[in-house]
Amino acid sequence: AQSVSQHNHHVILSEAASLELGCNYSYGGTVNLFWYVQYPGQHLQLLLKYFSGDPLVKGIKGFEAEFIKSKFSFNLRKPSVQWSDTAEYFCAVNIFGNEKLTFGTGTRLTIIP
Amino acid sequence: DGGITQSPKYLFRKEGQNVTLSCEQNLNHDAMYWYRQDPGQGLRLIYYSQIVNDFQKGDIAEGYSVSREKKESFPLTVTSAQKNPTAFYLCASSIWGNYGYTFGSGTRLTVV
Repeated sequence: AQSVSQHNHHVILSEAASLELGCNYSYGGTVNLFWYVQYPGQHLQLLLKYFSGDPLVKGIKGFEAEFIKSKFSFNLRKPSVQWSDTAEYFCAVNIFGNEKLTFGTGTRLTIIP
Repeated sequence: DGGITQSPKYLFRKEGQNVTLSCEQNLNHDAMYWYRQDPGQGLRLIYYSQIVNDFQKGDIAEGYSVSREKKESFPLTVTSAQKNPTAFYLCASSIWGNYGYTFGSGTRLTVV
């Protein structure tokens, strides 16, 4: 069974700092990869997803993620964070052909103005 | 507006009682899912359904039951056999083969 690891449980940054949140998965086959965000009091929403092609994917609100197959990683990045990026971020993976998503434990991001 | 409606938003029940959480979608999505969210544990899959009248257990199905009699509806029953039912429950749906989930706003269940 696949699993997802997010090693950063809580990240605190100042506004304008650069962000990188780690995500590693364990599965040797073809996977689809996702980042979801949960802003305080709001629904979980999709930030970006990778299915195939260019390993650098761009999402909403200036976020991007890079799929590195050799490292089983899909780290989320943003060059300059804003206070409004304060939220919980979840990495998720599914095996190609299987609808079931497996989520990581999440990273809480706090941005200090 | 299309979306997923979960009701109620907050639910309180006494220990030993079964409780049913509602999830309705008007997105015409084939697949529906129930996840449980606990602090520090992320989202864990309880049950999912790919088509009407069919559903599969997820990673933590013990103490839960579901039905899928209509495409739009996927209610979750938390039974008295669930040892630690207090949690935040999220329903989601997706178009088959699309993999991008749409989530509901969740139900926070507290068992006292």
